[in-house]
Amino acid sequence: EVQLSESEGGLLQPGGSLRLSCAASGFTFSDYTMNWVRQAPGKGLEWVSGISGSGVSTYYADSVRGRFTISRDNSKNTMDLQMNSLRVEDTAVYYCAKGRSGWSVRFDSWGQGTLVTVSS
Amino acid sequence: DIQMTQSPSSLSASVGDRVTITCRASQSIDTNLNWYQQKPGRAPNLLIYAASSLQSGVPSRFSGSGSGTDFTLTISSLQPEDFATYYCQQGYSTAYTFGQGTNLAIK
Repeated sequence: EVQLSESEGGLLQPGGSLRLSCAASGFTFSDYTMNWVRQAPGKGLEWVSGISGSGVSTYYADSVRGRFTISRDNSKNTMDLQMNSLRVEDTAVYYCAKGRSGWSVRFDSWGQGTLVTVSS
Repeated sequence: DIQMTQSPSSLSASVGDRVTITCRASQSIDTNLNWYQQKPGRAPNLLIYAASSLQSGVPSRFSGSGSGTDFTLTISSLQPEDFATYYCQQGYSTAYTFGQGTNLAIK
């Protein structure tokens, strides 16, 4: 059974930093692109970032490029999101999501999500 | 970025009803379109991928169709557990944008 579990979020001030982690099990981690998707309170879903199975290729939404960095450790089956220069508008539940490609890039397993609140 | 527009934003229906939700892309995405269901306080769940392929474990009352820019999600006979918010998502190019969601409520 695929399991994804995000680390605890928190309350941060604008300009602050936080590193989120996602621990994966139940599948061959290095075979799959992994992603972060977020959801602001009461709002819709926004894809944030993705990383290829090897970790060589990374992708970012324009809203976070230059501030967030995605990485993975295939020896530990973990993925991280380093979030710097946080803004109030980064407040959201952050989900890690396992990607599938071929016949449309999609997210077929999700973690439970972790809340990141950015407020002064 | 490719913009995804869902309609309606909300609708109310009764158990047993047939319901259709539409999703339009701002440019052609072939059949690179996926549908998710999300219940309050829960993570989204993949229902349909590549416009019309049913994800493993999803009931057959859910179906999808479309190609190019126009897509539909149909629930053939609503069950109580289907009342939720539904999102489309384009899997054609990064950023993998989502529609704004359709809230399906009990009439």
